[in-house]
Amino acid sequence: DVKVTQSSRYLVKRTGEKVFLECVQDMDHENMFWYRQDPGLGLRLIYFSYDVKMKEKGDIPEGYSVSREKKERFSLILESASTNQTSMYLCASSFRDRDAEAFFGQGTRLTVV
Amino acid sequence: RKEVEQDPGPFNVPEGATVAFNCTYSNSASQSFFWYRQDCRKEPKLLMSVYSSGNEDGRFTAQLNRASQYISLLIRDSKLSDSATYLCVVNVSGGYNKLIFGAGTRLAVHP
Repeated sequence: DVKVTQSSRYLVKRTGEKVFLECVQDMDHENMFWYRQDPGLGLRLIYFSYDVKMKEKGDIPEGYSVSREKKERFSLILESASTNQTSMYLCASSFRDRDAEAFFGQGTRLTVV
Repeated sequence: RKEVEQDPGPFNVPEGATVAFNCTYSNSASQSFFWYRQDCRKEPKLLMSVYSSGNEDGRFTAQLNRASQYISLLIRDSKLSDSATYLCVVNVSGGYNKLIFGAGTRLAVHP
């Protein structure tokens, strides 16, 4: 079974803190994604990585950065957390093939206070 | 304009009904298309891919219209267990499988 594991299910952080969200996949997938999901807005792509050390901005990269030093791990970093970054964060991974299925982690509910 | 647009619903239908969802996409270079399903408080999971010739999987039929840039999903004989949010997904970067999701259409099937 494919497994995508996110480090935390729930997280509460203070405004201005640096926040790290970690994601690990065990299927040797080339692609990894970070999305955030908000009511009425659906899943919005923050960053995408198609290989180690490679990254591409998604639709809403402002306020976020990412790191992919190893193929199985993709980290999302909030440099200085703000209340408008309170959201559900979902990590996903897939093979690079155009028809490949994406597998998701269980999500991290982040609250910034 | 959003890259992938869907009617948010909700669609409230009785068991046994047939229901259809549409989705439009803006990038004419998009190469592959999918429907994902997301249950309440769960992660999205692949329901089916959408092929140019149309494809069927049991009670579910997916169609693609490249000329009009829309995708559809038809569910026949709805079950209570079909209640979920259906997400339209487009690969906007054929070489890398970069996936963009629509906001989803919520379906509620009632007895």
